[in-house]
Amino acid sequence: NAGVMQNPRHLVRRRGQEARLRCSPMKGHSHVYWYRQLPEEGLKFMVYLQKENIIDESGMPKERFSAEFPKEGPSILRIQQVVRGDSAAYFCASSPSTGTGELFFGEGSRLTVL
Amino acid sequence: QQPVQSPQAVILREGEDAVINCSSSKALYSVHWYRQKHGEAPVFLMILLKGGEQKGHDKISASFNEKKQQSSLYLTASQLSYSGTYFCGTEKAAGNKLTFGGGTRVLVKP
Repeated sequence: NAGVMQNPRHLVRRRGQEARLRCSPMKGHSHVYWYRQLPEEGLKFMVYLQKENIIDESGMPKERFSAEFPKEGPSILRIQQVVRGDSAAYFCASSPSTGTGELFFGEGSRLTVL
Repeated sequence: QQPVQSPQAVILREGEDAVINCSSSKALYSVHWYRQKHGEAPVFLMILLKGGEQKGHDKISASFNEKKQQSSLYLTASQLSYSGTYFCGTEKAAGNKLTFGGGTRVLVKP
């Protein structure tokens, strides 16, 4: 059973460009979470999605950031007009259902903004 | 609100014990513990639900004091493989988002 797959693993963008990060949850998992991690820091919650629904986006910056989890295909975290402060590792995690349970994390996508 | 972890870092010799604490100012439904090695994904260790149950994973165990909204992770007879950053994650209600603390860096030396 394949784990949570994230791509790209590394992404370099210039200021003002767009970054798209993809996350395919584990098979059978319908819940996806995105976290941001700055170097040597903790995991900051960004957004929690179920298929076609955003459940909690309280950690998402109001501008430039958006997330979706369509009926078909991976979840996508989109960052428009990137700035240097967006440079970070973005981790996706999935879980099979609501309720307390283990989160399965992907290997992360490391975004560098030049 | 983010839970507070202490200490921020700890250095151990192989075979020594350590305790990592996680405190929240809010009432909690559950506490999760994860370990992350450098450049890798966080890996789940255990979940503790309110009720004060203590759990174990190999020689790593944890407790949850519901009244104090605190959890402690116990590293017993540490091994080199225990090195990494330990994060507690807290949940205010079942199915809520997991909010992580700032992490505790653990280095186990031979």
